[in-house]
Amino acid sequence: EPEVTQTPSHQVTQMGQEVILRCVPISNHLYFYWYRQILGQKVEFLVSFYNNEISEKSEIFDDQFSVERPDGSNFTLKIRSTKLEDSAMYFCASGGQGRSPLHFGNGTRLTVT
Amino acid sequence: DAKTTQPTSMDCAEGRAANLPCNHSTISGNEYVYWYRQIHSQGPQYIIHGLKNNETNEMASLIITEDRKSSTLILPHATLRDTAVYYCIVRVNRDDKIIFGKGTRLHILP
Repeated sequence: EPEVTQTPSHQVTQMGQEVILRCVPISNHLYFYWYRQILGQKVEFLVSFYNNEISEKSEIFDDQFSVERPDGSNFTLKIRSTKLEDSAMYFCASGGQGRSPLHFGNGTRLTVT
Repeated sequence: DAKTTQPTSMDCAEGRAANLPCNHSTISGNEYVYWYRQIHSQGPQYIIHGLKNNETNEMASLIITEDRKSSTLILPHATLRDTAVYYCIVRVNRDDKIIFGKGTRLHILP
């Protein structure tokens, strides 16, 4: 069964550094999402992406964040200057046409020191 | 999106059916009910979804009341691997984001 894959599984970075989290969505999917989960808290929506542009973003998704689909297969989340509070699990998801469900990757654990 | 209400936690004995309730009293006619689960720190896993008819797949059954104001997810023979947080979500559009609540933490007891 096709799945969403995310790399790396764990990323450690220093405060102020830029990080890029990578995702390969399911190949025929058209809708792409990033979520995050701070340890012990709810899964929070960050941004949705369709037709090569952001369709919706949350308050969390400020100017430090950006997303890109640089080619036909990858979907990336960039954090320009990481802060301690960016430490979290980041999940990528993709969805197909109609009422098809979103499928999630197993996440990247980002640790900012 | 309509809001859902779920119990904070539930216990179920291994081998028994786990019945997880969800209230969505303000659901509108074009909103589907989706169930996901999250096993410790893994990505949320899709389980099942439905509009008004009962649904069954290899993982679970979904029972939606006639007035669509509530639903029940049934795991027919719970195993220890079913220990997870279960989320009941309503969603309307194909590009609609999923908003997670706190879900129900299901403990399967040996």
